Amino acid sequence: KQEVTQIPAALSVPEGENLVLNCSFTDSAIYNLQWFRQDPGKGLTSLLLIQSSQREQTSGRLNASLDKSSGRSTLYIAASQPGDSATYLCAVRTFGNQFYFGTGTSLTVIP
Amino acid sequence: DTAVSQTPKYLVTQMGNDKSIKCEQNLGHDTMYWYKQDSKKFLKIMFSYNNKELIINETVPNRFSPKSPDKAHLNLHINSLELGDSAVYFCASSQRWENTGELFFGEGSRLTVL
Repeated sequence: KQEVTQIPAALSVPEGENLVLNCSFTDSAIYNLQWFRQDPGKGLTSLLLIQSSQREQTSGRLNASLDKSSGRSTLYIAASQPGDSATYLCAVRTFGNQFYFGTGTSLTVIP
Repeated sequence: DTAVSQTPKYLVTQMGNDKSIKCEQNLGHDTMYWYKQDSKKFLKIMFSYNNKELIINETVPNRFSPKSPDKAHLNLHINSLELGDSAVYFCASSQRWENTGELFFGEGSRLTVL
């Protein structure tokens, strides 16, 4: 069964710093991997979707990479801002249309 | 224009009551889901529907009964509520079953059972 892990569980950085969030999964047979942001009391907002055949996706200050063979994905946030403070979750989509979520990394960007 | 909308956003009720949560998506998607997020923020799939048909029913008590009147709507009815049902329930949708598109979420419905 697929297991998705996100480390660290919480991260606190000063404003302006570049940072990397990690996501690892145990079974490389995936369709894609999606990164989400969740603000307190809100739903999940999709940030980036990487197909299994892709190595990375970029959107503004965000860059997500995927190494399927090693079961790893990273989300790189450049020049962090206080507004980036949120919980970041990754999810892998497998055959049979199953989605497996990590438990998230809670990010705090200190002004 | 909200893509996936859920109502109500908050429910506070007594044990033993019955409650419903409604979900609608205006994305033209075929597939809809209900997820439960517990106090530790872990998201667990409850039900998956494709073209109004139930495809996946995870180990969920039969007090939970989903209903999809059409492709754009997926409602969740809960009978005889228990304390352990307190959680945030999220509706989500994706374009098609076995498709590599994105998953879109609603804002969530926070259920508190007293």
